[in-house]
Amino acid sequence: DQQVKQNSPSLSVQEGRISILNCDYTNSMFDYFLWYKKYPAEGPTFLISISSIKDKNEDGRFTVFLNKSAKHLSLHIVPSQPGDSAVYFCASGGTSYGKLTFGQGTILTVHP
Amino acid sequence: DSGVTQTPKHLITATGQRVTLRCSPRSGDLSVYWYQQSLDQGLQFLIQYYNGEERAKGNILERFSAQQFPDLHSELNLSSLELGDSALYFCASSVGNGVADTEAFFGQGTRLTVV
Repeated sequence: DQQVKQNSPSLSVQEGRISILNCDYTNSMFDYFLWYKKYPAEGPTFLISISSIKDKNEDGRFTVFLNKSAKHLSLHIVPSQPGDSAVYFCASGGTSYGKLTFGQGTILTVHP
Repeated sequence: DSGVTQTPKHLITATGQRVTLRCSPRSGDLSVYWYQQSLDQGLQFLIQYYNGEERAKGNILERFSAQQFPDLHSELNLSSLELGDSALYFCASSVGNGVADTEAFFGQGTRLTVV
């Protein structure tokens, strides 16, 4: 039962353009959502999060949008840079417990 | 450097054997989480400990067990190993017990290869 899905295994964009990574979830109990970035041979690194009381959270070039009715969140990276090339995982959880449910990841490649 | 230390980085062992993976959380973090990442899979939550007590359990096999010690380091024990147990095992830590207290910080992982 895949409660968090990232339907795009990979995404390729040009440097300077916008990268949009998508994530869908099914569990209505999820009320906290996070994005992690992972480089090869490293552990995932926290990028940005959003709670269910918001629909948008921005941090520099990174913005996360949450559409609760559609159970969908997205990560926008503007402008994209070659150093952003990594695997991006979305994760969901409940504020009352620490377990995170991860998606399968999307490989982002930003071409110079 | 996330501050979370996992040892060993790589481990190669034979089927049927038992191994122990070790995790030292960031200073001050009380929660430790274990995740498994198999080939082509996302991170699968295994288990969480908070201040020495088990708090949440995920898809952890009965052959696997974990504990968190008084100094807050944690060990994940994998026994009767099978080829399918080959994976990256990540440990993460956070200050609090809930997801929203703070984000979890991940170690670099232990790559386990069962031959």
